[in-house]
Amino acid sequence: GAGVSQTPSNKVTEKGKYVELRCDPISGHTALYWYRQSLGQGPEFLIYFQGTGAADDSGLPNDRFFAVRPEGSVSTLKIQRTERGDSAVYLCASSLISGPNEQYFGPGTRLTVT
Amino acid sequence: GQNIDQPTEMTATEGAIVQINCTYQTSGFNGLFWYQQHAGEAPTFLSYNVLDGLEEKGRFSSFLSRSKGYSYPLLKELQMKDSASYLCAVSLKAAGNKLTFGGGTRVLVKP
Repeated sequence: GAGVSQTPSNKVTEKGKYVELRCDPISGHTALYWYRQSLGQGPEFLIYFQGTGAADDSGLPNDRFFAVRPEGSVSTLKIQRTERGDSAVYLCASSLISGPNEQYFGPGTRLTVT
Repeated sequence: GQNIDQPTEMTATEGAIVQINCTYQTSGFNGLFWYQQHAGEAPTFLSYNVLDGLEEKGRFSSFLSRSKGYSYPLLKELQMKDSASYLCAVSLKAAGNKLTFGGGTRVLVKP
């Protein structure tokens, strides 16, 4: 079946602009996670959804970052007033249920802020 | 907070065995995952350990010691395609299974 998909695969934007990154999880997966990965480092947790609600947003770096999952499936990560330090690969993962289960990762969106 | 340490890089020879050590200090431990990540690609699941001991799965085994706070994967009969980053990640009980990752170990397999 289809895996986790993310669009766009690459996004180049100017400092100060607004961007939206989309994640389409595996059908039926109730848990959805966003991570951010900088070059040469491991992924860093941003936010976790169980269904439609953000169960843990403790990893969001500041209030410029926001994410939604209105129907419990597709999720959008929104970044306002982008800064050069936001440049990274944004990874989305989903799992069938929450709890210690395998998370399936999407290919990521490479965001470059110039 | 959580602290997860693993070596930055390792080099091994095709056909050999490599062991990648990961040490962690956490509270509320709920299991340890290993993921493989090829350059420019998504991480893919390798293993999950929650009990002490060794779990074997073909060329790949993973070991966990909860009392000592460390884990390692063993990759046997190394192939060139095993060149990748290997990510150690801890799952915490109170955190909805969000994963806390180490920095990753880049393994280079040479002929």
